[in-house]
Amino acid sequence: GAVVSQHPSRVICKSGTSVKIECRSLDFQATTMFWYRQFPKQSLMLMATSNEGSKATYEQGVEKDKFLINHASLTLSTLTVTSAHPEDSSFYICSAYWDAGPKDEQYFGPGTRLTVT
Amino acid sequence: QKEVEQDPGPLSVPEGAIVSLNCTYSNSAFQYFMWYRQYSRKGPELLMYTYSSGNKEDGRFTAQVDKSSKYISLFIRDSQPSDSATYLCAMSWYSSASKIIFGSGTRLSIRP
Repeated sequence: GAVVSQHPSRVICKSGTSVKIECRSLDFQATTMFWYRQFPKQSLMLMATSNEGSKATYEQGVEKDKFLINHASLTLSTLTVTSAHPEDSSFYICSAYWDAGPKDEQYFGPGTRLTVT
Repeated sequence: QKEVEQDPGPLSVPEGAIVSLNCTYSNSAFQYFMWYRQYSRKGPELLMYTYSSGNKEDGRFTAQVDKSSKYISLFIRDSQPSDSATYLCAMSWYSSASKIIFGSGTRLSIRP
């Protein structure tokens, strides 16, 4: 149980285009979802926290107009990178928190590798 | 100064050795301490978590927290090649429902 999926697993897009990444909790309802970014050989950095039906809370330095987050249901959150540039190339990982789950744990998705050319 | 400091390694040990991984932190308000394992190009998976100072054991893994020194450790006994991965320490102010601060990760390789 407690599986989180992400789609796509990797995407290549051209500079200036937008790309959408989906995060789904497959077998539980996630009251809170988190989006992280991980550059090579670096740690996961939280970008934003979203609660179902509410606006996302962005971390300092993360542009909310560039990284659009929608958490329309308890099982789906999307991250849209708008007008992507090469410096946005990174590994994007979502996690979902199950407040009724057996453990106090964020369940992580497998990640999406974004390459902007 | 980073809130969480972790030696990136890489660390290479022979199979069967005891592995010690460590992190220090600067924010004394952290109350929830975690260790994650991350395989290459995958999401991290939670290995162990604890709220308090002291030791917590789970099979071959022992997590140790010393709040007075702001120092946490993960010990792996009888290490196996399948333990080869990047290990991330992580901490939070009260639970996984809130923001988690991750260390940069230590790359561990277990030689057969």
